[in-house]
Amino acid sequence: EVQLVESGGGLVQPGGSLRLSCAASGFTFSNYEMSWVRQAPGKGLEWVSYISSTGSTRYYADSVKGRFTISRDNAKNSLYLQMNSLRPEDTALYYCAKDGSGSGYLFHRWGQGTLVSVSS
Amino acid sequence: DIVMTQSPDSLAVSLGERATINCKSSQSVLYSSNNKNYLAWFQQKPGQPPKLLFYWASTRESGVPDRFSGSGSGTDFTLTISSLQAEDVAVYFCQQYYSTPTFGQGTKLEIK
Repeated sequence: EVQLVESGGGLVQPGGSLRLSCAASGFTFSNYEMSWVRQAPGKGLEWVSYISSTGSTRYYADSVKGRFTISRDNAKNSLYLQMNSLRPEDTALYYCAKDGSGSGYLFHRWGQGTLVSVSS
Repeated sequence: DIVMTQSPDSLAVSLGERATINCKSSQSVLYSSNNKNYLAWFQQKPGQPPKLLFYWASTRESGVPDRFSGSGSGTDFTLTISSLQAEDVAVYFCQQYYSTPTFGQGTKLEIK
């Protein structure tokens, strides 16, 4: 069974940093493209970042470009999101999501999410 | 970016009745080389992550009841629940994966 377990969220002041992790199991992690998707409290869904199966290709939403960095360690079956210069509008539940189509952006399976709160 | 617009924002339907949710994209998500619509539907219940219901606009994910159906092509898509059950109460989202992914704003489905 596919499992994605996020961790690393918490309360941070504006301008601060956090590193999110996503531990994957139940599938061959190194074969799949992965993304981070976020959901502000009571709001809709926003794609944040994508990484190819090898880690060689990365894309970011304009709202986080230059502040967030996605990475992965296929030996550890783990996905990461380094978040710097955090802003109040980054407050959200952050999900890691596994691609299911080979297109990169079909979010076939999701974790339960980790909550990031940016506030002074 | 492709803008996804759902209608209605909320919907109340009686148990056993049909529920219809629409999704419109600001440009076509039909890829001509493979004739596939890069459109997915998700169901999200409170406190849970989104669950994939349909991809390629009308391909039902394994385990999704057949009272759910997805249809449409190009820019106009529909999610239909033929006979609403209590467990279908949720927020439903469409998403395009033709380009940088974007989601509809969501449709909240309730029991009348």
